[in-house]
Amino acid sequence: DTAVSQTPKYLVTQMGNDKSIKCEQNLGHDTMYWYKQDSKKFLKIMFSYNNKELIINETVPNRFSPKSPDKAHLNLHINSLELGDSAVYFCASSQEGLQETQYFGPGTRLLVL
Amino acid sequence: AQKITQTQPGMFVQEKEAVTLDCTYDTSDQSYGLFWYKQPSSGEMIFLIYQGSYDEQNATEGRYSLNFQKARKSANLVISASQLGDSAMYFCAMREGYNNNDMRFGAGTRLTVKP
Repeated sequence: DTAVSQTPKYLVTQMGNDKSIKCEQNLGHDTMYWYKQDSKKFLKIMFSYNNKELIINETVPNRFSPKSPDKAHLNLHINSLELGDSAVYFCASSQEGLQETQYFGPGTRLLVL
Repeated sequence: AQKITQTQPGMFVQEKEAVTLDCTYDTSDQSYGLFWYKQPSSGEMIFLIYQGSYDEQNATEGRYSLNFQKARKSANLVISASQLGDSAMYFCAMREGYNNNDMRFGAGTRLTVKP
């Protein structure tokens, strides 16, 4: 009964390929997020979806596209992968509200060769 | 401009001693929330403690406490009686404005607990 799950956990692929990372939360939260953590451990928010509506897009290249089929899922699709996309990608979810913490998935380690 | 600043890239502490991890923030909002997360070497992000801008008392959760100094815009994490398992990256984060879903993270501090 994992709260926020991501698949796959590891992803190794060649430059130029297209890949997707899936995320599901069973917490009933209204908002889901994607973060990128680079090799220096810096966490940067990429996207946020609230009730299937994109509400944050932090100047991420349009090769990255979030897709939310329903409130419990937020998938990340990446086109034409580049070396610089190698990172750990975290999915998270939360309720709305200042005091609401975000619950993170285990992360997906992406390596682009 | 950086919203969250963690000035200590790395910290060392002797087992059983207390350690303070620094965090300063920048906001013009009156309503905001401050969070600390732990990321062990296994990679998961673990929520530790929350402090609201209107909370008058410092937050505490077990061995974790938050030294909140609003005028100085600092929200330092204090870990008492350090354990080897506390060795990890620690991130300070902030949410600004009521009902704002945006959370900004600091660069993190790597804590190493020495036996």
